[in-house]
Amino acid sequence: KAGVTQTPRYLIKTRGQQVTLSCSPISGHRSVSWYQQTPGQGLQFLFEYFSETQRNKGNFPGRFSGRQFSNSRSEMNVSTLELGDSALYLCASSAEVLRQYMNTEAFFGQGTRLTVV
Amino acid sequence: GIQVEQSPPDLILQEGANSTLRCNFSDSVNNLQWFHQNPWGQLINLFYIPSGTKQNGRLSATTVATERYSLLYISSSQTTDSGVYFCAAMDSNYQLIWGAGTKLIIKP
Repeated sequence: KAGVTQTPRYLIKTRGQQVTLSCSPISGHRSVSWYQQTPGQGLQFLFEYFSETQRNKGNFPGRFSGRQFSNSRSEMNVSTLELGDSALYLCASSAEVLRQYMNTEAFFGQGTRLTVV
Repeated sequence: GIQVEQSPPDLILQEGANSTLRCNFSDSVNNLQWFHQNPWGQLINLFYIPSGTKQNGRLSATTVATERYSLLYISSSQTTDSGVYFCAAMDSNYQLIWGAGTKLIIKP
């Protein structure tokens, strides 16, 4: 079956703009988690959605938001972009919500590389 | 919260060599995974291994939960094994906490 699909693969935006990233999970998976990867901070958890509800949230400012649709596809939005938002954004798909099923395996997409100039 | 430490941070080997990557975690975990991030940024699941030993071809992993560490073994390394290897453990807030990774370079 198809893996996790993230679009677009690359983005260049200007400071102050906003951006929307998309993630389609593995068919049948209902949980989507988002992560930010930067050279300085490594991989950091942003949030997790399950059945269109945010189930868990990391320590990021309110400029970072997300949503999940009824088909489990998820979007992540970053408003008022800052240079420090330049990163690889990864989404992960899992069958169940990680919070409730701690032995659930997560599968990652190829990521969206965002550059803010 | 849980701390995840990986060693070594960098590893350079000749093709055909074997290697052992280590992941230490500061508290007991219910979910531990190993990933390989290729040069294009893709994270590939290698093992889901909260305890015990698993093998997949030239790769194997062992987690000793009581001693809070996990090991990833790569045998007969190939240039395609190059990349960054991460371990990630789930903390009490149900978030995957990542190690800093081991950057592996396999020279032909």
